[in-house]
Amino acid sequence: KAGVTQTPRYLIKTRGQQVTLSCSPISGHRSVSWYQQTPGQGLQFLFEYFSETQRNKGNFPGRFSGRQFSNSRSEMNVSTLELGDSALYLCASSSGTGRLNSPLHFGNGTRLTVT
Amino acid sequence: DAKTTQPPSMDCAEGRAANLPCNHSTISGNEYVYWYRQIHSQGPQYIIHGLKNNETNEMASLIITEDRKSSTLILPHATLRDTAVYYCIVSRETSGSRLTFGEGTQLTVNP
Repeated sequence: KAGVTQTPRYLIKTRGQQVTLSCSPISGHRSVSWYQQTPGQGLQFLFEYFSETQRNKGNFPGRFSGRQFSNSRSEMNVSTLELGDSALYLCASSSGTGRLNSPLHFGNGTRLTVT
Repeated sequence: DAKTTQPPSMDCAEGRAANLPCNHSTISGNEYVYWYRQIHSQGPQYIIHGLKNNETNEMASLIITEDRKSSTLILPHATLRDTAVYYCIVSRETSGSRLTFGEGTQLTVNP
């Protein structure tokens, strides 16, 4: 079974621009979560989508948004990029059924650099 | 979610068992213990989770103390590919999607 796929793998943007990152979950998984990883803050939860609805949200500004499509694929968008948004953005999928035997499966992330 | 405490780093000889401790003294009755690891330049990988009973799978064993205030992840025969940051996470989220990652333990397996 194919794992979680994130594209692109690397991205360089300029301050003030916006960016869209893409995530394809494992086939059959309906929950997609997004995390930000930086050296200073570690891994931080951004939001979770399940059946096209945002189910959980972390403590990030409104510049960070996401959506999920009917095929469970997800995108996250960051508008008005700041230098501090440089990070590894990780997507994770799970069956999302609420059962504990549905752990998160992570992709290898998109490395975003803001200059 | 309860806070966890892990040693920042540990070393282990290849072929020996690696025992990674985690303290979660404020854990509540409906919180689970999860273990993930992250190998450099990759996303975190799920290892194992448990509530109160000891658990074993093809990757590792999880030993949870009777009072549930601490746990130990055991990699029975560590290899160089087990070198990674290991995260112990406590969460009541039934889907386990919203996890609070701490700083973890950097495990280095030496030849």
